[in-house]
Amino acid sequence: AQSVTQLDSQVPVFEEAPVELRCNYSSSVSVYLFWYVQYPNQGLQLLLKYLSGSTLVKGINGFEAEFNKSQTSFHLRKPSVHISDTAEYFCAVNRKGSQGNLIFGKGTKLSVKP
Amino acid sequence: NAGVMQNPRHLVRRRGQEARLRCSPVKGHSHVYWYRQLPEEGLKFMVYLQKENIIDESGMPKERFSAEFPKEGPSILRIQQVVRGDSAAYFCASSPRASSGGQETQYFGPGTRLLVL
Repeated sequence: AQSVTQLDSQVPVFEEAPVELRCNYSSSVSVYLFWYVQYPNQGLQLLLKYLSGSTLVKGINGFEAEFNKSQTSFHLRKPSVHISDTAEYFCAVNRKGSQGNLIFGKGTKLSVKP
Repeated sequence: NAGVMQNPRHLVRRRGQEARLRCSPVKGHSHVYWYRQLPEEGLKFMVYLQKENIIDESGMPKERFSAEFPKEGPSILRIQQVVRGDSAAYFCASSPRASSGGQETQYFGPGTRLLVL
């Protein structure tokens, strides 16, 4: 079975500071990895995904994530955050060959302060 | 947001009543997924449907919950005889094609917040 751990439930940062949101997964088989963002009262929006190839994945809104197979991690980073990045971020995995039911972490609430 | 519509956005029910949650996928998408988010938890997969077929319902509670995706109209998640523990946010997602082994992006709706009194 697969599982996803997001180590930080809340991350407060100041505007223009860098941020890293951590995600670790556990799986005995190969997986695909996703980061979703949820703005208040909205649905989840895909930020980026890792399927194969380069371990550094670039997404929308200036976010990027790096897949580290040995550490089973897929941390999300942004070099300089904006107030508008305040949202909840979810890491998810999908087992290769599966029907598509994503397995989510509990989420990290990013709060960007001026 | 890629255009998945869910209604109602908020639903209040008393214990023992029925709750019906509707999901209209992105136009042209024929694959629908339902997830439930309990307070302070991540989303949990419930069921995966294609038009007129349930493909995977491994995350659905065995009793009181059912889902359908008819040939015409929205997908419906139905909860009979609701209990307080059913209070949660229910999200629907859609994709244009089969999962391709897990790679396919799922587009999420804004969710329905169910409160059971």
